[in-house]
Amino acid sequence: NAGVTQTPKFQVLKTGQSMTLQCAQDMNHEYMSWYRQDPGMGLRLIHYSVGAGITDQGEVPNGYNVSRSTTEDFPLRLLSAAPSQTSVYFCASSSPGTVIYEQYFGPGTRLTVT
Amino acid sequence: AQSVSQHNHHVILSEAASLELGCNYSYGGTVNLFWYVQYPGQHLQLLLKYFSGDPLVKGIKGFEAEFIKSKFSFNLRKPSVQWSDTAEYFCAVITNFGNEKLTFGTGTRLTIIP
Repeated sequence: NAGVTQTPKFQVLKTGQSMTLQCAQDMNHEYMSWYRQDPGMGLRLIHYSVGAGITDQGEVPNGYNVSRSTTEDFPLRLLSAAPSQTSVYFCASSSPGTVIYEQYFGPGTRLTVT
Repeated sequence: AQSVSQHNHHVILSEAASLELGCNYSYGGTVNLFWYVQYPGQHLQLLLKYFSGDPLVKGIKGFEAEFIKSKFSFNLRKPSVQWSDTAEYFCAVITNFGNEKLTFGTGTRLTIIP
């Protein structure tokens, strides 16, 4: 298994540009989530999904959209990038039916908005 | 809403010293608790977790943590640290079972001096 994969690893955007961060997992996990990591603030939940077709907001959802059309993929869209969205983004997945409440994290995407 | 506090922002130790990193959470009900580690340039990995039972939990790489319900604490310990333990350590909690929303602390950066 590849686990949780994220692309790209690095990205630089100009203010106002849009882009999609990709996340995929091959463990058949129902639950997927996106976090952003900022210095001194730990990881904060942006959006999450408990299964295909179901998404919900986390702690810091503004400026981000998600969709979950398949179990494997959970892309994160930035509609109009802002410097405040400069961060490292982590995708995670888990399945309540297996190792309960253990989330597996992807390698992260480092995003800079200028 | 639940919260997690890690009061040590940066800890510097010499090799072979003993380690204790503090973690306190604010929630009066049943909790599941985790410690994650992030080595430089890498993604988060699970060190150990507590669900129920023995409050002293052993994890990978010689780490352990003790759940003290009366103190709302889940401190991480290691008797003798190594240079390779240099990393950032995050405490996390789940309180709403079924939605698996992890709440993270702000992290503790650990630097081990050879």
